[in-house]
Formats: sequence, structure tokens, C-alpha cells
Amino acid sequence: GESVGLHLPTLSVQEGDNSIINCAYSNSASDYFIWYKQESGKGPQFIIDIRSNMDKRQGQRVTVLLNKTVKHLSLQIAATQPGDSAVYFCAENILETGKLIFGQGTTLQVKP
Amino acid sequence: NAGVTQTPKFQVLKTGQSMTLQCAQDMNHEYMSWYRQDPGMGLRLIHYSVGAGITDQGEVPNGYNVSRSTTEDFPLRLLSAAPSQTSVYFCASSYNRDRQPQHFGDGTRLSIL
Repeated sequence: GESVGLHLPTLSVQEGDNSIINCAYSNSASDYFIWYKQESGKGPQFIIDIRSNMDKRQGQRVTVLLNKTVKHLSLQIAATQPGDSAVYFCAENILETGKLIFGQGTTLQVKP
Repeated sequence: NAGVTQTPKFQVLKTGQSMTLQCAQDMNHEYMSWYRQDPGMGLRLIHYSVGAGITDQGEVPNGYNVSRSTTEDFPLRLLSAAPSQTSVYFCASSYNRDRQPQHFGDGTRLSIL
């Protein structure tokens, strides 16, 4: 699979490989984090979330890792498929406000 | 459940015109919010509401008004449209404001000429 450092606008992977999308967040008061997938012409779609008292959470083919020490979040997609092609956003929820602050997004391109 | 429904899907306005973007949810969610999305950027929060009768400003509130008279509806008003308000607008809702994923509508694409 491919790994990227800090935020890159575009990630291109081969079908079947693992993808890792990174995100840095800014607010120490953020206690909840969400990954969204956005396909062209659609609204953001919830993928997976994680609370600040956890460092890892797994879903179906997706895993989110949280490193509070360096304020870093990552989304891992196993066995990437063409249907995974989209823009992926991380978002941090500011404690007790409900405000979601979004990252700039990473476009995932899956090559057949 | 229809989820979050936004109308219209597309709209073209002239500078100075007013309009209301509609948002409705049928999930009995307390929290609702409006975002705008510009090319190459993430979503930015315009206004939000933690329940009927309560609204507050987000990151970019200027030029927009909101009200929340019912749990289901959260309209966004542009009183005097400006070209800088050309954007895609998304409405979202969640069960409450804390640690709940927000569910988004499919957006209204607005062009101001």
C-alpha cells in the first residue's frame, strides 16, 4: 500500500492495494473526529468516527488511527476498490459546540 | 426516512436578489447546520442550531440569516446576493451537538451573476 506524510491533495493507488490518508488537526479541545467521503455531485457521506479517548477504531475495510500527541488522524482503506474513488475529508468536533472543522480534503484515485 | 433534504438543487441569481435555501430532516435531530463548499476547499460552517428557537454563527456568517422555528426545518436566507456567495451549500443534521456524526444533504449549487 501507499503511505503519505502530512496532507496531500491527491493520492493515487492501484486497485487492491491499501490506502492511507492523513490529516492534521489544530484544536486541542477537539474530542471527536470524523472521516467523510464525498463523491462528485453529492454531499459528504459518513465513513467512520473516533472519540478522543480511543487511538484506533475499525470498520468494514476502514480503520481510523488517532495520535493526540501530534494531533494527527489517519484513515486506512484495505483492498482499495474503484468505488472508493472520491474526496476524503477529516473533521474535528469542537467540544460542547457541535462545530465541525473540516480539513482540505484528499482526492483518492484508484487505478484499475 | 428521507434523511436531509435540500431544495432547490440548482439556482442562479442576479446580484442583489434574495432567496431562501430550504433544508428539512425527518430524523428528529436536534442539531442542524449550514456549510458552504468552494473549489479546492473543505466545508466552512455558516450557521448552526442546537435546537428549535436557538441559532448561532459559524466561521463565515456574514451575508446569511437563519431561523429554526421547528425541529425539522432550518432555512438559510441570502438577503442581498453577492458574487462571492457563489458556492455549493450543504445542510447537515445530527442527533445532538456532541460526538454524533452529522448527516449531509446533497447540496444546493448556487451561482450569483
